[in-house]
Amino acid sequence: TQLLEQSPQFLSIQEGENLTVYCNSSSVFSSLQWYRQEPGEGPVLLVTVVTGGEVKKLKRLTFQFGDARKDSSLHITAAQPGDTGLYLCAGGGSGYSTLTFGKGTMLLVSP
Amino acid sequence: DTEVTQTPKHLVMGMTNKKSLKCEQHMGHRAMYWYKQKAKKPPELMFVYSYEKLSINESVPSRFSPECPNSSLLNLHLHALQPEDSALYLCASSHPGGLQYFGPGTRLTVT
Repeated sequence: TQLLEQSPQFLSIQEGENLTVYCNSSSVFSSLQWYRQEPGEGPVLLVTVVTGGEVKKLKRLTFQFGDARKDSSLHITAAQPGDTGLYLCAGGGSGYSTLTFGKGTMLLVSP
Repeated sequence: DTEVTQTPKHLVMGMTNKKSLKCEQHMGHRAMYWYKQKAKKPPELMFVYSYEKLSINESVPSRFSPECPNSSLLNLHLHALQPEDSALYLCASSHPGGLQYFGPGTRLTVT
């Protein structure tokens, strides 16, 4: 069974601070997705990484996939209140596209 | 267009009621999914349809009955639910082996 350990589980910061969320596993994933979810809404896909060592940037968000494709990180620069939400990493395997989700990181950015 | 729609947005039902949740996508995806999500937890996979055929049932109780009438539609029929079944029900779709896109969810309350 593939497991994804996501940390921290909860993060409360002030506007303008930087933060990093980690997603780690002992298993290799063919791809890794990051989703952001607001309360009562569905997860919204932010990015997918597929190549070991890959780095992708989405405005103030930087995503990295580990060289061995077992871990990933999400770094947010100068966080804003609009970044508040549940951040989920999800590892993709082969076959039917089933995803292994991390437990999520609840981010609260205060003005 | 990466939109998955779900209806209704909210549903309250008694334990003796029969109701259905609906999901629709027009992205040409041939894999569709039902997930259940409890508060502050990651989504839990319930069912996967691939090319309109049920390919994965994650040991879901028979009071949940999925249906895929065509390649764009996915239903979840509910009957004799329990209060612990109250949750956010998410639909997702993807190309087989591809990225999953989630709908906004149906907030279900069983009284």
